[in-house]
Amino acid sequence: AQKVTQAQTEISVVEKEDVTLDCVYETRDTTYYLFWYKQPPSGELVFLIRRNSFDEQNEISGRYSWNFQKSTSSFNFTITASQVVDSAVYFCALSEGRGAQKLVFGQGTRLTINP
Amino acid sequence: DVKVTQSSRYLVKRTGEKVFLECVQDMDHENMFWYRQDPGLGLRLIYFSYDVKMKEKGDIPEGYSVSREKKERFSLILESASTNQTSMYLCASRGLAGVAYNEQFFGPGTRLTVL
Repeated sequence: AQKVTQAQTEISVVEKEDVTLDCVYETRDTTYYLFWYKQPPSGELVFLIRRNSFDEQNEISGRYSWNFQKSTSSFNFTITASQVVDSAVYFCALSEGRGAQKLVFGQGTRLTINP
Repeated sequence: DVKVTQSSRYLVKRTGEKVFLECVQDMDHENMFWYRQDPGLGLRLIYFSYDVKMKEKGDIPEGYSVSREKKERFSLILESASTNQTSMYLCASRGLAGVAYNEQFFGPGTRLTVL
């Protein structure tokens, strides 16, 4: 069975600090996809990134970066120089690579950036 | 831009009532999904639909049913609402064209309270 664990329930940092959100996954599939979504206070989940299991390249997008390591089954998300607007709940999710490709979500990490 | 809309942001119902949650997407997406979100549990899949008139149970279908008579609309039905169905309900859609895997797009959510 597939499983995603976000061990950090809540994180609180001061603006401009760097912060890393952890995500550990379990799957028996060799082909799978990993995602990060952001849920701001408005409630709507916003897609941030998708990675497939064959692409372990790290990715950087502005202040956001993602570290995918198959050896440790982790897909961690780092925000550099955090801003108040980054405050949200962040979800990591895993999808099988075949069939319905349903998403399995982690429990979410509530990130609060204090001014 | 993809737009997924849900009929209500907030809903209050009584135990035993029949409740309809409506979701509409405007991008001709084949797949649609209903999730519920509870603190500490992340998002859990209730039902999904591959296409019109097709539906499949997710991880927690008990107490729910769905209807998809038109491609753009996916309804979640609580046949007899109970207090343990108080939750945030999120609808999502996904298209199958283009890349091998497309991300899901989410609506703003409906916060349902059952008294």
